[in-house]
Amino acid sequence: DIQMTQSPSSLSASVGDRVTITCRASQSINSNLNWYLQRPGKAPKLLIYAASSLQTGVPSRFSGSGSGTDFSLTISNLQPEDFATYFCQQSYTTPYSFGQGTKLEIK
Amino acid sequence: QVQLQESGPGLVKPSETLSLTCTVSGGSISSYYWSWIRQPPGKGMEWIGYIYGRGSTNYNPSLKSRVTISIDTSKNQFSLKLNSVTAADTAVYYCARVVGSYDSGRYTNWFDPWGQGTLVTVFS
Repeated sequence: DIQMTQSPSSLSASVGDRVTITCRASQSINSNLNWYLQRPGKAPKLLIYAASSLQTGVPSRFSGSGSGTDFSLTISNLQPEDFATYFCQQSYTTPYSFGQGTKLEIK
Repeated sequence: QVQLQESGPGLVKPSETLSLTCTVSGGSISSYYWSWIRQPPGKGMEWIGYIYGRGSTNYNPSLKSRVTISIDTSKNQFSLKLNSVTAADTAVYYCARVVGSYDSGRYTNWFDPWGQGTLVTVFS
């Protein structure tokens, strides 16, 4: 099975900051990496698919990059609604697997 | 806009069967793959399996011996059964649609949308 290691597990930042979250796969997954946002009690929401494609309706301050084993999600100009938990997911092969999540908190 | 909603008992006794249903609205269930995913308290997400609208399935090997996912296209619903549950099966259970596409000749997919999730507690 492919293991997904996400870092950091938590992050404090201020409105207007730029932050980067990383996700590393235990083997190459090409560009089969997706990023999601999760707010407490809400359905997870797709942000980025195929490593760098922005889902329709997601603000352009979100961007994704990487291929192979190393990936990152960058959020520029943080807004109050961005403080939530983010997680990555590989879709290269089943069983699909997820990172442990990064909780982004207001500093 | 497609929406998903999980339903089912929030409390299941050890050794019994967990049964959940996901109702899909705003679109047909027949032409996509549909998945179950769970998140134990304080832990990461775990993919349980998926079913295609025409009935083919793929399960996580870690759960395969205990899991059945089925689909009812007449009701636009798909279901999860997990038998012989233990406390380790306590989790928020999500249903999600699997969306896929080809990019430069390579297939990729993702989960979108997701249901809100339902907490199932295994407790005697």
